[in-house]
Amino acid sequence: GAGVSQSPRYKVAKRGQDVALRCDPISGHVSLFWYQQALGQGPEFLTYFQNEAQLDKSGLPSDRFFAERPEGSVSTLKIQRTQQEDSAVYLCATTGGFLNQPQHFGDGTRLSIL
Amino acid sequence: GNSVTQMEGPVTLSEEAFLTINCTYTATGYPSLFWYVQYPGEGLQLLLKATKADDKGSNKGFEATYRKETTSFHLEKGSVQVSDSAVYFCALGRSQGAQKLVFGQGTRLTINP
Repeated sequence: GAGVSQSPRYKVAKRGQDVALRCDPISGHVSLFWYQQALGQGPEFLTYFQNEAQLDKSGLPSDRFFAERPEGSVSTLKIQRTQQEDSAVYLCATTGGFLNQPQHFGDGTRLSIL
Repeated sequence: GNSVTQMEGPVTLSEEAFLTINCTYTATGYPSLFWYVQYPGEGLQLLLKATKADDKGSNKGFEATYRKETTSFHLEKGSVQVSDSAVYFCALGRSQGAQKLVFGQGTRLTINP
């Protein structure tokens, strides 16, 4: 597709369940970022991939959060044993990988933990 | 660490009014600076950017100048329209390596006809 595609758009889960969020990047984009956006706040960095390599995961809030990009294209963000504080919009962004190239954002997945 | 502070909202203006949304930053080195916009029901879109001191980014009538001496990147528009109603985010990215972005908290702008 022409843009970054994220699925599902909305996800409701009960506390303690595991969830998986998917990001389909723009074709050919080698760099992929995940951000978490709490209600009324700006996005906060979670993790970064260059192709299949996860080069920075300093923003992941706990070991319940795990991201992968096994073939250097589609990425999945997994949250295990979800907590209410995990409720947020999760954004994926991709770039061609060159310095100063703008990040293209998907519409996000709104996660609600009951 | 790097941080961005934005003018708190919400901001409400009448059509054709002059707009300023303040943004200041703290960063090591020489970051790139960005304004992103989020229209209702849509994802974040890049509005404009500046990659070095004194650069001016501009798009759709919006402008922002990278001021190193005041560590600021204020967003301005001379005459706003109803269609400019959105949430605006100031952000910075590292000048070297992967450009993970650090965002401000966002400013909600509403333009009344």
